Amino acid sequence: EAEVAQSPRYKITEKSQAVAFWCDPISGHATLYWYRQILGQGPELLVQFQDESVVDDSQLPKDRFSAERLKGVDSTLKIQPAELGDSAMYLCASSSRTSVYEQYFGPGTRLTVT
Amino acid sequence: QKEVEQNSGPLSVPEGAIASLNCTYSDRGSQSFFWYRQYSGKSPELIMFIYSNGDKEDGRFTAQLNKASQYVSLLIRDSQPSDSATYLCAVTFKAAGNKLTFGGGTRVLVKP
Repeated sequence: EAEVAQSPRYKITEKSQAVAFWCDPISGHATLYWYRQILGQGPELLVQFQDESVVDDSQLPKDRFSAERLKGVDSTLKIQPAELGDSAMYLCASSSRTSVYEQYFGPGTRLTVT
Repeated sequence: QKEVEQNSGPLSVPEGAIASLNCTYSDRGSQSFFWYRQYSGKSPELIMFIYSNGDKEDGRFTAQLNKASQYVSLLIRDSQPSDSATYLCAVTFKAAGNKLTFGGGTRVLVKP
């Protein structure tokens, strides 16, 4: 069964350091999403890509976060510098052109900032 | 601010009973409704979606949508200990570009 791949699964970093997460969506899925989920809360959308273009990044803290999907396939989310409040689960999801709202999530990256 | 509200729980259910979860949303223009299951430490898994008023059944799960009252519910029949998880309701709001907005989730505990 096709799955969304993410790496790393866990990341511990010190504040002020840079950190990057990688996501490979389900093959053929044109839409890719990055979410942040704080413990005890629902996921919050950070950025949405349609192919290689950003569709929505209204909740992305652009002073420290950046995201790219250069060839419209895999994607990288970067934080620089990391802050203590960035500790959370970072989830990647993808959806197909025909079922845009049916999103399938990867295993996530658990980030701890110390 | 478009909102999706869920009771955080925990909802304690005896094994074999029906678990009933509710979700209310703030926007009458909402179009699509989803239920995700999330085990502790894992990522959300899509289990049901519903677009029209009424009931939709899939195995032991039934989603119920009432757009006039702005709520969507999930019933889990013959609850099993493996159903113990957090259930997230997600809604698309047309005014928000149809992106998914998640509720905070309801934790369900099925006791043997």
